[in-house]
Amino acid sequence: QVQLLQSGGEMGKPGASVKVSCKASGYSFSTYGITWVRQAPGQGLEWMGWISPHSGNTKYTQKLQGRVTMTTDTSTSTVYMELRGLTSDDTAVYYCARDNGGAIIYFDLWGQGTLVTVSS
Amino acid sequence: DIQMTQFPSSLSASVGDRVTITCRTNQSISRYLNWYQQKPGKAPKVLIYVASTLQSGVPSRFTGSGSGTDFALIISSLQPEDSATYYCQQSYNFPRTFGQGTNLEIK
Repeated sequence: QVQLLQSGGEMGKPGASVKVSCKASGYSFSTYGITWVRQAPGQGLEWMGWISPHSGNTKYTQKLQGRVTMTTDTSTSTVYMELRGLTSDDTAVYYCARDNGGAIIYFDLWGQGTLVTVSS
Repeated sequence: DIQMTQFPSSLSASVGDRVTITCRTNQSISRYLNWYQQKPGKAPKVLIYVASTLQSGVPSRFTGSGSGTDFALIISSLQPEDSATYYCQQSYNFPRTFGQGTNLEIK
């Protein structure tokens, strides 16, 4: 079954870090990029960044530069997103999505979402 | 960064109505514009990519148009299950920005 399965919800204190995983199955993992998108409560979608499982190349939004790191483990077809220096503004549902890549790029497969709650 | 302006931010329409949602960018993105539908508590789902290509399995009442800086998502005959929030998103360059969303309510 073609799917992206994300890790469970996380709680973190201000200043702490969180690491969310996204495990791909049912397709050739290295062929497609993975994008991370987050959605704060009642808000819209925010693009966070992208990683190529094939090369490890990454692109991050300037807003999160220095606080976010995306990595990949090809042996387990898993992508990780780590966010450091958490603040209450980071409370959101975090989604991974498959970036179908090539010349025509859109997000055709999504994980189920991971709720990250930042609270003291 | 490419700025996306989506309007209206919300609308209410009746079953059978024709609905248009507009997305405008602050620079030309050719046809690299995608549309997503999101229902409460669910992940987004792609409807249209490269401005007008219907994703497999999406009903034909959804159409997309536009190029350059002005784009539209049209629902030709609104159905109850179309109640959702709709987002445009550009894939012309990084960061791959989203519009603010349009909350569509069925009367």
